[in-house]
Amino acid sequence: AQKITQTQPGMFVQEKEAVTLDCTYDTSDQSYGLFWYKQPSSGEMIFLIYQGSYDEQNATEGRYSLNFQKARKSANLVISASQLGDSAMYFCAMREWGGSTLGRLYFGRGTQLTVWP
Amino acid sequence: EAGVAQSPRYKIIEKRQSVAFWCNPISGHATLYWYQQILGQGPKLLIQFQNNGVVDDSQLPKDRFSAERLKGVDSTLKIQPAKLEDSAVYLCASSLFARVGTNEKLFFGSGTQLSVL
Repeated sequence: AQKITQTQPGMFVQEKEAVTLDCTYDTSDQSYGLFWYKQPSSGEMIFLIYQGSYDEQNATEGRYSLNFQKARKSANLVISASQLGDSAMYFCAMREWGGSTLGRLYFGRGTQLTVWP
Repeated sequence: EAGVAQSPRYKIIEKRQSVAFWCNPISGHATLYWYQQILGQGPKLLIQFQNNGVVDDSQLPKDRFSAERLKGVDSTLKIQPAKLEDSAVYLCASSLFARVGTNEKLFFGSGTQLSVL
């Protein structure tokens, strides 16, 4: 079974608008962490935001916020006031601590975001 | 602060040849990761080192892939012999120290794009 599911292969948003990138996850662990990374065409993975499974408030980092719905096992990324430089591939990832994986990070297949003027 | 350094940036080889990739993590980072990212997919962990010891290599194809991290700093990943399906981007990442329940983020290098012909 997929640990991380990103159902949107591509998303388009106009500059200055908000956009939500979907992510659902699968785990039986109580302790886990959810991450979002951005990968521009240069290839480097850039950390955006983190949400711990025990965090009661949704994480925010500048224009990024994470809509964490634990019962639904979803961790959607919201980008407010989109900029042309936000055009990139976005990956949702989960780190779980059960078993012997010692915090292996599982990535989804990514969503390609295109911001147009 | 210097980021994660990787070389080479690109490599083209023929199948059955051997290839090696090099990674220099961020200074002070105890945990080092090698990921394989096939086109259109999210990164997949190949091997994780804690200092110079291996903590997770369950997804490493050990019949052809090998990795080492001498003195707990630099690391090399080798493929011998390469197959067509090894064509991918190989990403190196590092983090401070992987402990249960921590959320320390991974810092990624720009990757090595390997094409096997």
